[in-house]
Amino acid sequence: KQEVTQIPAALSVPEGENLVLNCSFTDSAIYNLQWFRQDPGKGLTSLLLIQSSQREQTSGRLNASLDKSSGRSTLYIAASQPGDSATYLCATQEGDSGGGADGLTFGKGTHLIIQP
Amino acid sequence: NAGVTQTPKFRILKIGQSMTLQCTQDMNHNYMYWYRQDPGMGLKLIYYSVGAGITDKGEVPNGYNVSRSTTEDFPLRLELAAPSQTSVYFCASSLPGPTAEAFFGQGTRLTVV
Repeated sequence: KQEVTQIPAALSVPEGENLVLNCSFTDSAIYNLQWFRQDPGKGLTSLLLIQSSQREQTSGRLNASLDKSSGRSTLYIAASQPGDSATYLCATQEGDSGGGADGLTFGKGTHLIIQP
Repeated sequence: NAGVTQTPKFRILKIGQSMTLQCTQDMNHNYMYWYRQDPGMGLKLIYYSVGAGITDKGEVPNGYNVSRSTTEDFPLRLELAAPSQTSVYFCASSLPGPTAEAFFGQGTRLTVV
């Protein structure tokens, strides 16, 4: 059974710093890995999706990397802003013959606060 | 484009009552999911569906039922509500394939008292 762990559970940094959020998973036979953002009382918004054959994906100030062999992914946020404050969730989709239908396995998230 | 819409947003139930959480998506996605999120925890999969007429259990299905009569709708039924079902429920949808990101609704916050 896949287990996804996110470290740290919480992080508070001054505005403008670059930061890294970590995600590890126990079963490397994944279909893809997704990073989500969750604001208080809101749903999840997909930030980046990395296919199992890829090493990284970039969107604006966000860069996500994937190392399947070691079971790790990182989310790098450059030049952090107060608007980046949210909970960031990592999730894996395990490979199967159904096109990835089995749903996502989530970590508990990293609660990020960017101080103005 | 509405995406994934869940109703209601909030609900308080008494122990033993039943209710249906509604979920509809307008993106013509084959796959739909129900998750629950407890405080400080990640999301856990309750049920999923790969298309109309096809549903399957996820990690925590006990106490819930689903149906999928159309591509758009995937309601979640709670029978005989229990305090352990107090949670935030999220519906999600996606297309098949390794590049298909998941789209989530805004959630339903359910309290069972």
